[in-house]
Amino acid sequence: GAVVSQHPSWVICKSGTSVKIECRSLDFQATTMFWYRQFPKQSLMLMATSNEGSKATYEQGVEKDKFLINHASLTLSTLTVTSAHPEDSSFYICSARDRERASLGELFFGEGSRLTVL
Amino acid sequence: AQSVAQPEDQVNVAEGNPLTVKCTYSVSGNPYLFWYVQYPNRGLQFLLKYITGDNLVKGSYGFEAEFNKSQTSFHLKKPSALVSDSALYFCAVRDFGTDKLIFGTGTRLQVFP
Repeated sequence: GAVVSQHPSWVICKSGTSVKIECRSLDFQATTMFWYRQFPKQSLMLMATSNEGSKATYEQGVEKDKFLINHASLTLSTLTVTSAHPEDSSFYICSARDRERASLGELFFGEGSRLTVL
Repeated sequence: AQSVAQPEDQVNVAEGNPLTVKCTYSVSGNPYLFWYVQYPNRGLQFLLKYITGDNLVKGSYGFEAEFNKSQTSFHLKKPSALVSDSALYFCAVRDFGTDKLIFGTGTRLQVFP
């Protein structure tokens, strides 16, 4: 149980285009989803917190107009990197909190999406 | 503010030897502590957590962690390391104020045959 599916795993795009990454909780309902960015050999950087049916809360320094987050249902959140540039190339990871086990605080992670912007 | 520290960037251990990956925390109140493992180009996998109860917590793949309140530590351990345990390990603590998990900087474990 508690599986989070993230798609696509790999994406290569041209500079200036937009890329959408999906994060789905397959066997549970996620009240909250989190989006992280990870640079090579570095820790996770929390980008934003996504709550179903409401606007995402972005961490300081994260451009909300560049990284659009939508959490339209209890099982799906999307991250859209708009007008991508090479410096946006990174490993993006989503995580979700099970509504039934929210009090424990445990997070379940997707497999990550590696974005390469040419 | 809640925080965790992983003092070692990398830990090297020979296969078959015991391993320890260190984590210390700073929280107000009782901590909810977690360990996650990340293999290359993959997301994080949950290993174990401490919420309350026994100080020794057993988790996946033979890993365990000991909660030590007096030393504010939650070190990850395994009696006999495997080459396949080589990965990046993250310690995390729940921040009840923001309801987020605060992650350490990660420790790369390298197990040599």
